[in-house]
Amino acid sequence: DTAVSQTPKYLVTQMGNDKSIKCEQNLGHDTMYWYKQDSKKFLKIMFSYNNKELIINETVPNRFSPKSPDKAHLNLHINSLELGDSAVYFCASSQPGTVIKETQYFGPGTRLLVL
Amino acid sequence: EDKVVQSPLSLVVHEGDTVTLNCSYEVTNFRSLLWYKQEKKAPTFLFMLTSSGIEKKSGRLSSILDKKELFSILNITATQTGDSAIYLCAFIIQGAQKLVFGQGTRLTINP
Repeated sequence: DTAVSQTPKYLVTQMGNDKSIKCEQNLGHDTMYWYKQDSKKFLKIMFSYNNKELIINETVPNRFSPKSPDKAHLNLHINSLELGDSAVYFCASSQPGTVIKETQYFGPGTRLLVL
Repeated sequence: EDKVVQSPLSLVVHEGDTVTLNCSYEVTNFRSLLWYKQEKKAPTFLFMLTSSGIEKKSGRLSSILDKKELFSILNITATQTGDSAIYLCAFIIQGAQKLVFGQGTRLTINP
């Protein structure tokens, strides 16, 4: 009964490769997010989607392309991976509306290592 | 620029001690402040605070928000080794569905 799930949990790849990370939530939320956590544990928003529509894009390089096939899924595709892309990527979801419902729930993270 | 600063960055105490973690913020259109606990994996939600002066409590953890002085504290009493984690403070801005995080406080509880 996992609420927010991500695959894969670990991803080790060479520079220049293209990779995807998948996220699914079964909470019935309308909004999903991608966050990046760097080596200093600083979590920063990358994208958010509301009901399959992009609403936030925080100056992320064009090599990162999110895709939301439906409101329960938000995938992240990364082209031409660079060393600096190594980080933990977290998916999250929430239900906008009243303040109380806006709590964001996080997936387990995908640890990406680019060699 | 909206920002949130947590202190201390790192704290080591003994089991049974009480700790207070601080979060100060500068936000133009504040909506709510959230505390998360991050152990090895996903940040897990602790509290959401929207009103000043109202303490939120969950077992040994409690938190309060001061919207005039722009800070929040997270208290943990009678700490246990299982409280060892990174504690993250974040806020939501009015009209923007994103969390802006502080850099976290790494709390270590020694037996």
